[in-house]
Amino acid sequence: NAGVTQTPKFQVLKTGQSMTLQCAQDMNHEYMSWYRQDPGMGLRLIHYSVGAGITDQGEVPNGYNVSRSTTEDFPLRLLSAAPSQTSVYFCASSQTIIGGELFFGEGSRLTVL
Amino acid sequence: TQLLEQSPQFLSIQEGENLTVYCNSSSVFSSLQWYRQEPGEGPVLLVTVVTGGEVKKLKRLTFQFGDARKDSSLHITAAQTGDTGLYLCAGGSYNQGGKLIFGQGTELSVKP
Repeated sequence: NAGVTQTPKFQVLKTGQSMTLQCAQDMNHEYMSWYRQDPGMGLRLIHYSVGAGITDQGEVPNGYNVSRSTTEDFPLRLLSAAPSQTSVYFCASSQTIIGGELFFGEGSRLTVL
Repeated sequence: TQLLEQSPQFLSIQEGENLTVYCNSSSVFSSLQWYRQEPGEGPVLLVTVVTGGEVKKLKRLTFQFGDARKDSSLHITAAQTGDTGLYLCAGGSYNQGGKLIFGQGTELSVKP
């Protein structure tokens, strides 16, 4: 009963380094999304996808890339990490675009020095 | 740009008290959801409301969607220490595609 799996759970980067946060879901959900969570700011949408091959920008997309080559996977790439990207990142999936229950991963805590 | 404003941001109450959390926007939403998050975990869905004026109850929690579908409230009756956590509202609308946006959250602490 895996649900949404995120890796890694913790990561420390130096400014300018690149990395990929992995997200996989086994519920055959079409909708997947990435959020970042910072104190006092709730969850802010970075990128989302309504199906394989389709991605779109959320509220705070700058500095992040995504791709959706399969229904199951939705990786988030940081091309050149900045201290402002220090945050907790959540991947989520849902069966429907609007009104469906979002299932979240456990989160990935990223620190950029 | 759609925005969801939650209030209050922090709430500290004694066990047995009642409380209400508000989620407001100037935009109309097709659906509005409430999630609860515990430290170190992802948010978990409490309820989804889709019809203006809709009221849903989940044990001691009552959720209401505004008539104009721009706002919502969460009322907890006789709060318990187990209600402690971060409460988040989230809204989506068909004319915004797949964007589901969240409010800033309300951090609730219920003391024994």
